[in-house]
Amino acid sequence: AQTVTQSQPEMSVQEAETVTLSCTYDTSESDYYLFWYKQPPSRQMILVIRQEAYKQQNATENRFSVNFQKAAKSFSLKISDSQLGDAAMYFCARGSQGNLIFGKGTKLSVKP
Amino acid sequence: NAGVTQTPKFRVLKTGQSMTLLCAQDMNHEYMYWYRQDPGMGLRLIHYSVGEGTTAKGEVPDGYNVSRLKKQNFLLGLESAAPSQTSVYFCASRLHRLAASSYEQYFGPGTRLTVT
Repeated sequence: AQTVTQSQPEMSVQEAETVTLSCTYDTSESDYYLFWYKQPPSRQMILVIRQEAYKQQNATENRFSVNFQKAAKSFSLKISDSQLGDAAMYFCARGSQGNLIFGKGTKLSVKP
Repeated sequence: NAGVTQTPKFRVLKTGQSMTLLCAQDMNHEYMYWYRQDPGMGLRLIHYSVGEGTTAKGEVPDGYNVSRLKKQNFLLGLESAAPSQTSVYFCASRLHRLAASSYEQYFGPGTRLTVT
């Protein structure tokens, strides 16, 4: 089975500091998409950032950026200048044949 | 433009009862999905639909049925609820075209279902 692995069930960061959430995946496809979704306590799933596998440049969205290592099948999320509102569950997902395969999530806590 | 909506938001069932969860989207998306989310398990795909009148099984389809009679609606049915189906259920939708953002799924707010 093709899987997405998030090896950190929980992470903690001090407000204003930087944190990196890890994600690895397996796939036999050459073109695919990767995503990070955020789920705050409200339960709503919010897209944070997306990466197309054929693009070598790492995606960035304001304080959020990724480190995409295609050969290593690694897709980590870096959050800079962490804010209290960043506290949430974060899910890594890979597009596969039109569907998404999700990791089990990382719970991020932000300390004031 | 409401996006993806789900009805109801909460429900408590007794074992053996049946119910239907409704998902509606107003974005003219072709693909629609039903997931369940359990603690420590992430989101797992139950069933999905690639267009009106078509459905397909996902990773965990047993105990559930779906129907897509209209493009904007995707129904998830539980014929005989079991405690193992206690979960949070999410509906999602996306475009069909193979555009750069086409794999992006838009999620509803979720339905918390408890089966006692």
